[in-house]
Amino acid sequence: DAKTTQPPSMDCAEGRAANLPCNHSTISGNEYVYWYRQIHSQGPQYIIHGLKNNETNEMASLIITEDRKSSTLILPHATLRDTAVYYCIVRVNSGGYQKVTFGTGTKLQVIP
Amino acid sequence: EAQVTQNPRYLITVTGKKLTVTCSQNMNHEYMSWYRQDPGLGLRQIYYSMNVEVTDKGDVPEGYKVSRKEKRNFPLILESPSPNQTSLYFCASSSNPHLPTGSFQETQYFGPGTRLLVL
Repeated sequence: DAKTTQPPSMDCAEGRAANLPCNHSTISGNEYVYWYRQIHSQGPQYIIHGLKNNETNEMASLIITEDRKSSTLILPHATLRDTAVYYCIVRVNSGGYQKVTFGTGTKLQVIP
Repeated sequence: EAQVTQNPRYLITVTGKKLTVTCSQNMNHEYMSWYRQDPGLGLRQIYYSMNVEVTDKGDVPEGYKVSRKEKRNFPLILESPSPNQTSLYFCASSSNPHLPTGSFQETQYFGPGTRLLVL
């Protein structure tokens, strides 16, 4: 299984861009990178995903390096409501079934 | 409204007393999954199900059972709960789990969580 490595915590000033890195050096060719976030103790919420190309949606942008060994989630204008734990996940196949491995994530604190 | 529901939301029980946490989704999703979350350990997958009558172990299945008799429901069963199963539990569902490429492209929808305390 491809594992991910994220810094345990980060701070970001309100209104600034938050750049959250993720390493997934053992990712295989058909595995996607997903990002979720969890606010307080609520259920995790999907943010964005990608395979090779950079992706953008209304919540965030995802930048994946050319070798696909790392990626960065960008929240362009962080607000206090973006304070959460952010999880970078690589989806794996195990015998054709969908096993999922979350790491411990990055706790993002947006500071006023 | 598309949603995943879990019941109960909070539960205090004693060691050895069998309990079931229910999970239901109204999105006709094939894939459902259970996670537990503990401080410092993040989210860990307990069991998952690709469709009715198809289940498989996640990373931490010991002490848990699941069943998938209907598409919408995926209950988590603790036959003999122990204090080390005190945790925050999440159920999740998604559609289209098995694409030709073998990659999972659909997002998961998570329930609100069940906080369990085993004394």
